[in-house]
Amino acid sequence: QITLKESGPTLVKPTQTLTLTCSFSGFSFNTTGVGVGWIRQSPGKALEWLALIYWDDDKRYRPSLKNRVTITKDTSRNQVVFTMTNVDPVDTGTYYCVHRLHLYFFDSWGQGTQVTVSA
Amino acid sequence: EVVLTQSPGTLSLSPGERAILSCRASQSVTNSYLAWYQQRPGQAPRLLIHGSSYRAPGIPDRFSGGGSGTDFTLTISRLEPEDFAVYYCQQYGWSPCSFGQGTKLEIK
Repeated sequence: QITLKESGPTLVKPTQTLTLTCSFSGFSFNTTGVGVGWIRQSPGKALEWLALIYWDDDKRYRPSLKNRVTITKDTSRNQVVFTMTNVDPVDTGTYYCVHRLHLYFFDSWGQGTQVTVSA
Repeated sequence: EVVLTQSPGTLSLSPGERAILSCRASQSVTNSYLAWYQQRPGQAPRLLIHGSSYRAPGIPDRFSGGGSGTDFTLTISRLEPEDFAVYYCQQYGWSPCSFGQGTKLEIK
């Protein structure tokens, strides 16, 4: 059974850097094809894919955020870290960690972590 | 980016009725790479359908998906109380993948 859990701050000030960690179980980056990504759900907006990292350390980013986001993995600890620099109130939302086994649909989701960007 | 438009925005039905949800893409979705997710209040989205018509493991067969090109549908044959939720479509044929705004299925 795959489980993912997000952790990180609930409140971040504008211009600061947001760092979120996804801790998972039930799969491993040692398996070919595995990917872990981040998706955001902001009030009044559609779900938004942000980034994804593959088992072979290949990384993909949402083009509009490419200069602000970074995704890394720690295979031995079964963790993925997502960072977003220079946050703005529009970055407020629930951030989900997701598992991808094939293509770009997501078969397992974490419970999500709420992040508010406010002074 | 491919824009997905879901309709209706809200659908009011009774348990036992059939629900048909629509998702229209701004351009043809490659290989019918279209997924559907269900989100209940306070929960994360859950994968229902991928590849337009393939049910994810554990999804009841009252859920079915269809369509190709720019027009896709999710059909729930007989609504159960637990099916009242928000449904999202997602295309992954074009990068970046994108989601629709959702259809809220509410009890009439």
